Amino acid sequence: KAGVTQTPRYLIKTRGQQVTLSCSPISGHRSVSWYQQTPGQGLQFLFEYFSETQRNKGNFPGRFSGRQFSNSRSEMNVSTLELGDSALYLCASSGTGTTTGELFFGEGSRLTVL
Amino acid sequence: GENVEQHPSTLSVQEGDSAVIKCTYSDSASNYFPWYKQELGKRPQLIIDIRSNVGEKKDQRIAVTLNKTAKHFSLHITETQPEDSAVYFCADNAGGTSYGKLTFGQGTILTVHP
Repeated sequence: KAGVTQTPRYLIKTRGQQVTLSCSPISGHRSVSWYQQTPGQGLQFLFEYFSETQRNKGNFPGRFSGRQFSNSRSEMNVSTLELGDSALYLCASSGTGTTTGELFFGEGSRLTVL
Repeated sequence: GENVEQHPSTLSVQEGDSAVIKCTYSDSASNYFPWYKQELGKRPQLIIDIRSNVGEKKDQRIAVTLNKTAKHFSLHITETQPEDSAVYFCADNAGGTSYGKLTFGQGTILTVHP
């Protein structure tokens, strides 16, 4: 079974630009979560999608947005990039069911904002 | 808001020794507490988790304990090996909202010296 796939793996943008990151979850997983990882702030929750609906949202400004498609693939978008947005963006998927808790992370998209 | 504090931030042990990492959480509604291991340049991976109706869980050399009254949980690694060297993150499910929304601790860099 293929793991969680994130694209692109690396990207460089300049301040003010926008970026779109993509995540393909494990086949059959309907929940997709996004996290930002930085050396200073650690792993911070961005948002979670389930069946095309945003189920939870973290404490990030409105410049951060996301969506999920009918095939469970998800995208996140960051508009008007700031230097502080430089980070590793991790996507994770999980299966359904009340006993399922494990998040399966992708390798991440490393964003550098210049 | 939700908060998970993790200590120590760095831990250095000799091969064969035990390692203990401790976390405290703030939201008494949290009911799921996973531990993730992230090797350098790799994705986080679940190593063990515990739910609020259980006080202790073991998996070979790894064990996790939970004290709901004190709102803290700990990871215990026995007979450490060099391949245990990594960053370890504790987390809770942010007030029990869902498994996809986790609040992570700041991480512990574990180094096991041969």
